[in-house]
Amino acid sequence: QQQVKQSPQSLIVQKGGIPIINCAYENTAFDYFPWYQQFPGKGPALLIAIRPDVSEKKEGRFTISFNKSAKQFSLHIMDSQPGDSATYFCAASMNTGFQKLVFGTGTRLLVSP
Amino acid sequence: DAGVTQSPTHLIKTRGQQVTLRCSPKSGHDTVSWYQQALGQGPQFIFQYYEEEERQRGNFPDRFSGHQFPNYSSELNVNALLLGDSALYLCASSLDRYHEQYFGPGTRLTVT
Repeated sequence: QQQVKQSPQSLIVQKGGIPIINCAYENTAFDYFPWYQQFPGKGPALLIAIRPDVSEKKEGRFTISFNKSAKQFSLHIMDSQPGDSATYFCAASMNTGFQKLVFGTGTRLLVSP
Repeated sequence: DAGVTQSPTHLIKTRGQQVTLRCSPKSGHDTVSWYQQALGQGPQFIFQYYEEEERQRGNFPDRFSGHQFPNYSSELNVNALLLGDSALYLCASSLDRYHEQYFGPGTRLTVT
């Protein structure tokens, strides 16, 4: 019940395409859902996060869509660029005051020129 | 403004040895969490420190222990190293227990 399932495992899109990464969770106590971007040899960097009281959040080219009833959320990257090639992780936590992030297994994205 | 820093960058140890990893949080942050990231996997929560005490712990054995100092920096100690402890160890800091976590670059530990 503590798992976050992420798909696909890998994704290849052409420059300008809109890759979509999906995550699903079971624990309805989760109330904070961040996305992280990780480049090889680096730590994860926070991209964007959402809470269940909204269905969509945009920051620049990154959009999170959230479906509370389906317990699913997804990341869309608009006008993707080769520099977006990285591994993306969704995560979830319960805002009990001690944020223990539960991560998905990651999606390796390659944006071809 | 320096972000989260970790040392050392890389470390090679032998089975059975002990290791200490260090983390300095982002300026203004008082909460530090540690994660283990095995190759090709997502990070797994080890524990979190706030006000110099371990506040929450993931599913890791007692061989994993930590400490937080008055300046909010933190150490992760692993005793009796196993081959399976080989991973990237990530430190994350946050403004407090309720805010977003920002990760450091990690320490790559290899156990031979």
